[in-house]
Amino acid sequence: NAGVTQTPKFQVLKTGQSMTLQCAQDMNHEYMSWYRQDPGMGLRLIHYSVGAGITDQGEVPNGYNVSRSTTEDFPLRLLSAAPSQTSVYFCASRGTSYNNEQFFGPGTRLTVL
Amino acid sequence: GNSVTQMEGPVTLSEEAFLTINCTYTATGYPSLFWYVQYPGEGLQLLLKATKADDKGSNKGFEATYRKETTSFHLEKGSVQVSDSAVYFCALSNAGNMLTFGGGTRLMVKP
Repeated sequence: NAGVTQTPKFQVLKTGQSMTLQCAQDMNHEYMSWYRQDPGMGLRLIHYSVGAGITDQGEVPNGYNVSRSTTEDFPLRLLSAAPSQTSVYFCASRGTSYNNEQFFGPGTRLTVL
Repeated sequence: GNSVTQMEGPVTLSEEAFLTINCTYTATGYPSLFWYVQYPGEGLQLLLKATKADDKGSNKGFEATYRKETTSFHLEKGSVQVSDSAVYFCALSNAGNMLTFGGGTRLMVKP
């Protein structure tokens, strides 16, 4: 199993540009989520999904869109990037029990100029 | 709502020293509690977990006990190694919700 994979690893955008961060998992997990990591603030939940076709907002959803057309994939879209979105983004997945381990991808470091 | 508070770092220790990283939480009901570790340049990995009061999670010499009376889940290790240098995150999961993380504590172990 590859686990949770993310692409790209690094990205630099200009303000106003759009892009999609890709996330895929091969563990047949129903739950997938996106977090951003900022210094001193831990990880904050952006959006999550409890299954294909179902998504919901987390703690910091503004400026981001998601969709879940398949169990495996959960892309995160930035429609108009802003410097405040400079961060490290992590995708994660887990099984349906809430005390299951959550598996994290290696992260995408995004810089918005 | 849910929240997790960790001691601020960095924590700097000499090899073989005793480690404690404090973690307290606020949550309704009976959350599951986790410690994750992040090594430089990598994603987070589960270190240990506890799913009910008085449970002790343990892994790689690290331990943490779920204390409902003090709403705490402090991480301890009796003798740290240089290879334990990383950022440690305390987290909780409650009734099917996603994880709520603390701010992270950076540990630096010097030889």
